[in-house]
Amino acid sequence: DAKTTQPNSMESNEEEPVHLPCNHSTISGTDYIHWYRQLPSQGPEYVIHGLTSNVNNRMASLAIAEDRKSSTLILHRATLRDAAVYYCILRDARYTSGTYKYIFGTGTRLKVLA
Amino acid sequence: DVKVTQSSRYLVKRTGEKVFLECVQDMDHENMFWYRQDPGLGLRLIYFSYDVKMKEKGDIPEGYSVSREKKERFSLILESASTNQTSMYLCASRPLGTGEQYFGPGTRLTVT
Repeated sequence: DAKTTQPNSMESNEEEPVHLPCNHSTISGTDYIHWYRQLPSQGPEYVIHGLTSNVNNRMASLAIAEDRKSSTLILHRATLRDAAVYYCILRDARYTSGTYKYIFGTGTRLKVLA
Repeated sequence: DVKVTQSSRYLVKRTGEKVFLECVQDMDHENMFWYRQDPGLGLRLIYFSYDVKMKEKGDIPEGYSVSREKKERFSLILESASTNQTSMYLCASRPLGTGEQYFGPGTRLTVT
């Protein structure tokens, strides 16, 4: 199974950009890169995903390295509500049913300072 | 808005009890999942279902079973609860062919 590596924790000041890194050196050519985040006392929520090209949505941007062995989630202006655990996940090899497997690591705990 | 609901936010059970955790989604998703989340271990997949009455083991199925009699409902069963099953349990659903999983709020189960 392809795995991801993320820093355990990061800090950011409010209103500043945040770059959350993820390494996935064993990624295969068809693995999508997903990001989820988990706010305190809630289930994880989807943030963004991509395959090769950089992606933008209303929540964040995803920058994917040319060799796809790493990616960066970018929050353009961190707010206190962005304090959460951020998970970088690969949509991995399939189970026998054809359902894709997601492997959640321990994520990066982002602290936003007022 | 997609909604995934779980029957309880907090549950306390005794060792040896049979425990049912219920999950309901309202968006007609084919796939449903049960995870447990423990400090330092992240989320681990217990079981999932890709259709009514169809299921497949995840990474840590031992001590658990599941039931999916209707598309919108996926139940996790602890046949005989043990203290090492004290954890946060998260249910998720996902439409066929897309990447986005929708999670419920979680059930914090304590087995004493």
